[in-house]
Amino acid sequence: EPEVTQTPSHQVTQMGQEVILRCVPISNHLYFYWYRQILGQKVEFLVSFYNNEISEKSEIFDDQFSVERPDGSNFTLKIRSTKLEDSAMYFCATRGTGGFGGELFFGEGSRLTVL
Amino acid sequence: AQSVTQPDIHITVSEGASLELRCNYSYGATPYLFWYVQSPGQGLQLLLKYFSGDTLVQGIKGFEAEFKRSQSSFNLRKPSVHWSDAAEYFCASHSGAGSYQLTFGKGTKLSVIP
Repeated sequence: EPEVTQTPSHQVTQMGQEVILRCVPISNHLYFYWYRQILGQKVEFLVSFYNNEISEKSEIFDDQFSVERPDGSNFTLKIRSTKLEDSAMYFCATRGTGGFGGELFFGEGSRLTVL
Repeated sequence: AQSVTQPDIHITVSEGASLELRCNYSYGATPYLFWYVQSPGQGLQLLLKYFSGDTLVQGIKGFEAEFKRSQSSFNLRKPSVHWSDAAEYFCASHSGAGSYQLTFGKGTKLSVIP
C-alpha cells in the first residue's frame, strides 16, 4: 500500500534553532499538507500546497514557517527560529486528484521537541 | 467556523463488546465527515468517510458510522471490539470548499480490556 513517509521521526532542538521536517509524498499525489498536534490538543491545519505554491494557510503558519518542494519529490516544512510552543507532532498529508472525495493520506508524524 | 466535538476523552470497553464513539459537528450545510484512527507510533489512517447518499457508511476493520443531520452527529460504531482496536480515534470534517482543510476533534482514546 502506498504511504507517506516523514523524517525525522523525532527531533530535539534548542530554542531559536532552525528545523526542517521532510516528507515524501505518495508518488502520483499533487496536493500536500502539513498539520500539527500539540500534546493533548487537537490536530490543527497549518498549510496546503499545490502546483508549487501555498493554497491556503492557517493563522498558526506565520512568517517563521515555510514550505517547499525543493526537488520535485520531498515536501519540506521549515521552522526558521523555533520556540518552545512549536513542540508538537507534525503530520504531512497528501492527496491525489479525487476532488473533495479524495482520501487524505497521513504520514506517521515527526515529533519536534524544543528545549 | 466549523467545529468538531468528541465528548469522550477516554473510553474503556471489554473485548467482544460493542463500541460507539461520539462525534458532533457544527456547520450549516452538510459537511464532509471522516473518522481516522491513530495507533501508537503510527500515522492517521482513514477508517471511513461520508459526503452524501446513504447515511450509514461502512469502513475498514469492521467499523461503520451513521450521519444524523437532526443531531449533527456522525458516531462511529463497531459491534464487537478486538484488542487490536485500542488506539486513538479522531473525527474530522471539512466544508468542501477551499483547499480541503480538515477540522479535527480532540480525539477519543479507546482502551480494550481482554
